Amino acid sequence: GAVVSQHPSWVICKSGTSVKIECRSLDFQATTMFWYRQFPKQSLMLMATSNEGSKATYEQGVEKDKFLINHASLTLSTLTVTSAHPEDSSFYICSALTSTDVQTQYFGPGTRLLVL
Amino acid sequence: AQSVTQPDIHITVSEGASLELRCNYSYGATPYLFWYVQSPGQGLQLLLKYFSGDTLVQGIKGFEAEFKRSQSSFNLRKPSVHWSDAAEYFCAVGPSSGYNKLIFGAGTRLAVHP
Repeated sequence: GAVVSQHPSWVICKSGTSVKIECRSLDFQATTMFWYRQFPKQSLMLMATSNEGSKATYEQGVEKDKFLINHASLTLSTLTVTSAHPEDSSFYICSALTSTDVQTQYFGPGTRLLVL
Repeated sequence: AQSVTQPDIHITVSEGASLELRCNYSYGATPYLFWYVQSPGQGLQLLLKYFSGDTLVQGIKGFEAEFKRSQSSFNLRKPSVHWSDAAEYFCAVGPSSGYNKLIFGAGTRLAVHP
């Protein structure tokens, strides 16, 4: 149980385009999901917390207009990188909380974004 | 300030040898503690967690960790390492109630020699 998927697993796009990444909880409902960014050989950096039906809470220094987060249902959260630039290239990972264990985050497999 | 320290960036062990990965934390209240493992290009998999009770917790893949409050540590151990254990290991802490924002350590990269 507590399986989280992400789509796509990798994406290459041109500078200036927007990219949407999906995070789904497959076998549970997730009222809260998190979005992280990970640079090579570094730890995870929390970008934002996504709550179903409400606006996302962004961490300090994360541009909310750049990284649009939508959590429209209890099983889906999306991260849209708008007007992507090469410096946005990174590994993006989502996680989710289950209603039965609100203290444990279950992570998706990640999405690698390369902006040319 | 809240923080998690994993003192060892890289560790190399021989297959079959024992393993201990260190984790120290600084946290204002009693935290919940986690160990995650990440294989190259993959997401994080939960190995084990400590919320309360017995300070020695068992996890998946033969891993265990011991919570020592006096030392603010939560070290991960495995008695006999397998080549498939080569990966990045992250220690994380979070609040025991309320908003669950995890603080991650920098990670320890484990290499296993045959």
